Amino acid sequence: DAGVTQSPTHLIKTRGQQVTLRCSPKSGHDTVSWYQQALGQGPQFIFQYYEEEERQRGNFPDRFSGHQFPNYSSELNVNALLLGDSALYLCASSQSWDSRDYGYTFGSGTRLTVV
Amino acid sequence: QKEVEQNSGPLSVPEGAIASLNCTYSDRGSQSFFWYRQYSGKSPELIMFIYSNGDKEDGRFTAQLNKASQYVSLLIRDSQPSDSATYLCAVKPPGGSQGNLIFGKGTKLSVKP
Repeated sequence: DAGVTQSPTHLIKTRGQQVTLRCSPKSGHDTVSWYQQALGQGPQFIFQYYEEEERQRGNFPDRFSGHQFPNYSSELNVNALLLGDSALYLCASSQSWDSRDYGYTFGSGTRLTVV
Repeated sequence: QKEVEQNSGPLSVPEGAIASLNCTYSDRGSQSFFWYRQYSGKSPELIMFIYSNGDKEDGRFTAQLNKASQYVSLLIRDSQPSDSATYLCAVKPPGGSQGNLIFGKGTKLSVKP
């Protein structure tokens, strides 16, 4: 049973460019959350998708946008990249119908470097 | 502003000792608490969760929660060099099981052979 998978593993982009990161949730999970982890910091919540809609959003500018597909996979898009967007981007999935709270399992992440 | 505070360390303990990691949080209504372990260059790995006041044990790990003091800790008994990592405390504020997590900056633990 595959866990949360993310692609690509590493990415180098130039300031001002746009980037798309991808996430496939764990089998049976229908909710996807995205986090940004800068070097030396804890992960910060970007947004969460359920039923193809953004349900919650953290304190990130609207340069950060996302999408969820009918198969529950998700994309994170960042426009007009800044040097400060360099970070590890983490995806986590969960089951909306499960009221038990076991915490999130993260994918292996995408390391984005903006130069 | 909801916050989770951790001592950034590094915390250095000898092999076989008990490592004690601490975390405080600001939102008194928080209901779920998590400890993640993160090796350098890797993604966080969930090692413990706790919801109720008191202790919860899982192998060499014990999580302790005191909601009145807004304090959660993680004890690692018989520390091994393989436990050397950054430990992240995460808190889920009120709002249901699908709410977002608020993380601390993490405590770097070094276990010396």
